[in-house]
Amino acid sequence: SAVISQKPSRDICQRGTSLTIQCQVDSQVTMMFWYRQQPGQSLTLIATANQGSEATYESGFVIDKFPISRPNLTFSTLTVSNMSPEDSSIYLCSVESRDRVSGELFFGEGSRLTVL
Amino acid sequence: KNEVEQSPQNLTAQEGEFITINCSYSVGISALHWLQQHPGGGIVSLFMLSSGKKKHGRLIATINIQEKHSSLHITASHPRDSAVYICAVYSGGGADGLTFGKGTHLIIQP
Repeated sequence: SAVISQKPSRDICQRGTSLTIQCQVDSQVTMMFWYRQQPGQSLTLIATANQGSEATYESGFVIDKFPISRPNLTFSTLTVSNMSPEDSSIYLCSVESRDRVSGELFFGEGSRLTVL
Repeated sequence: KNEVEQSPQNLTAQEGEFITINCSYSVGISALHWLQQHPGGGIVSLFMLSSGKKKHGRLIATINIQEKHSSLHITASHPRDSAVYICAVYSGGGADGLTFGKGTHLIIQP
C-alpha cells in the first residue's frame, strides 16, 4: 500500500498568481500522476511524472501552465501558473501499487483551489 | 477512448436502505475500479475488479464483462457512507488508459 500526503489541502488564490502543490509518498514509486477535477466533472489526467525525466503531459495541458518536478522517487510538485478562475478545481496526485492491471490506485487528499 | 456513464448522478436515501450505484462503459476493459471521494476531495480505493464479484464489509461490487456493466451495492447504509462514488475503467495503453466516471453523489440521511 501507499500513503500519500498532499498539501495544501485548500487555498484561495488571486488571478495571475501561481501555486505549487506538493505530494509526498511513504514509499518509492516509479510513476506519479497528477489529476484535475473541475466542479461536477470527472478526473482528468494532467501528466505523468517519472523520476529523472520530464513529465509527460496529456492533450490540452502544457508544461508552461503546469510545470511538474520529480526530484526523487517519493516526492513531486505541480505548479498551477498564472491562475484564472477556470483553474478552480481539485488537484490530486496518485500512484499505483504496481501496474494498471493488477494494481490498486492510491490518491492524495486533494488540493481544492479557488481562484478569484 | 472509453466512455464511462454512472447512474444515478445523485442519490438521497434513508439510513438502513440498500443502495445500488451503476457504471457502464463502452469499450472492453482489463480492470474496473470503484473509488470513494470524501467531501474534502481525497479519494480512497474500494475495489478493483476484472470479473465476478467482491465483498468488503457492507460493500459489494459486481461486474458483467459481456454487458460492460458494474454495480456497487451498499447494504444497511449509514450516514458515514455519504460520499461521491466514482467508477474508473482501465482499457490498456498506459497512463491515459484510465477513464473516470463523473461520480454518484450519495447522501444517507439518519
